[in-house]
Amino acid sequence: LAKTTQPISMDSYEGQEVNITCSHNNIATNDYITWYQQFPSQGPRFIIQGYKTKVTNEVASLFIPADRKSSTLSLPRVSLSDTAVYYCLVGDMYSGAGSYQLTFGKGTKLSVIP
Amino acid sequence: DADVTQTPRNRITKTGKRIMLECSQTKGHDRMYWYRQDPGLGLRLIYYSFDVKDINKGEISDGYSVSRQAQAKFSLSLESAIPNQTALYFCATSDKGLAGGSTGELFFGEGSRLTVL
Repeated sequence: LAKTTQPISMDSYEGQEVNITCSHNNIATNDYITWYQQFPSQGPRFIIQGYKTKVTNEVASLFIPADRKSSTLSLPRVSLSDTAVYYCLVGDMYSGAGSYQLTFGKGTKLSVIP
Repeated sequence: DADVTQTPRNRITKTGKRIMLECSQTKGHDRMYWYRQDPGLGLRLIYYSFDVKDINKGEISDGYSVSRQAQAKFSLSLESAIPNQTALYFCATSDKGLAGGSTGELFFGEGSRLTVL
């Protein structure tokens, strides 16, 4: 299983763009990169997923370089409600039973400051 | 109503007691998971099930057992609870991911907070 490394915490002011980088040096060919957001005492919620280059949705963008050994979650113009823990996960999205697991690390605690 | 429902939401019990946490889902997903979260730590996978006849151990299965009673129901049991099993437990579901033409995102319940005294 590919391990991931993220910063433990980040601070940002409201209205700024926030970039959270995740390292996954031993990512496998079939692995996809998925990001989740978790508020206190709630279950994580899917944000975005990608395989290579750039993916954008209404919430965030995900940048993945050609070597795929890292990825960057970009949150445009954050607000106080974006204060949460963000998890980067790497997993084989095509695997059948017995070989598909998603491992959550400690995540990055983002604090948005007024 | 929530798509993934966990009961109980909060439970306080004593060392040595048997505890069952239940999870039911209305999303029609085949895959179900149990995670544990401790303060300041990420989520760790306890067990997962890809269909009714499939049960797999995760990272930290020792001291836990599961039962997949139906496609929609997945229960986690602590046969003899101990204090270091005090944690927030999450159930999650997903579909088959890209093999089924989707992202395979996990949908989580609201959590069950367990305290073992």
